[in-house]
Amino acid sequence: GENVEQHPSTLSVQEGDSAVIKCTYSDSASNYFPWYKQELGKRPQLIIDIRSNVGEKKDQRIAVTLNKTAKHFSLHITETQPEDSAVYFCAASLGMDSSYKLIFGSGTRLLVRP
Amino acid sequence: DTGVSQDPRHKITKRGQNVTFRCDPISEHNRLYWYRQTLGQGPEFLTYFQNEAQLEKSRLLSDRFSAERPKGSFSTLEIQRTEQGDSAMYLCASSSQGGPYEQYFGPGTRLTVT
Repeated sequence: GENVEQHPSTLSVQEGDSAVIKCTYSDSASNYFPWYKQELGKRPQLIIDIRSNVGEKKDQRIAVTLNKTAKHFSLHITETQPEDSAVYFCAASLGMDSSYKLIFGSGTRLLVRP
Repeated sequence: DTGVSQDPRHKITKRGQNVTFRCDPISEHNRLYWYRQTLGQGPEFLTYFQNEAQLEKSRLLSDRFSAERPKGSFSTLEIQRTEQGDSAMYLCASSSQGGPYEQYFGPGTRLTVT
């Protein structure tokens, strides 16, 4: 079945620096890739997503890139702020699966040092 | 609040007892998902409803678990004869009909089995 691997598991950056989180997926039919931010004790919040017909998408300080050939997608956060500290999850939705259930990576704990 | 809501937010139960959780999706969303999240891991898919029809169940969902969405609106997830291994956060998400659209998560029900 589909598998999503996420790296790194923890990431510590200085405020103002950039952070990059990378994911790989196994099912080449996957066609939707959301990213969620989860603060301690709170619900996962959708922060950005990308579909397989697009290579890159940007929303202010956040961008996501997709390489379908390599089955890689990445989250880029620029000008990091302390409030960006959280756990970030990537996910993939099976393209041939009518439920569009999400398969999640194991998460990246991002710490932004002030 | 027009987002996904879940009740209760916390449940502590003794091993062997039955528990039931409720999810109210965003009103115009006809797709509803249940996921389970254990500490330090990403959410894992449990089951999916399109309107009132339960169309997919994960093999993670043992016979002790049952879910319903009787009128295509709210959903319930029941766990019978709870075990300590059932302790987790149970998350509900909803999305619109059609292709792989955004899934919005509820705050979750944290279950502790003692």
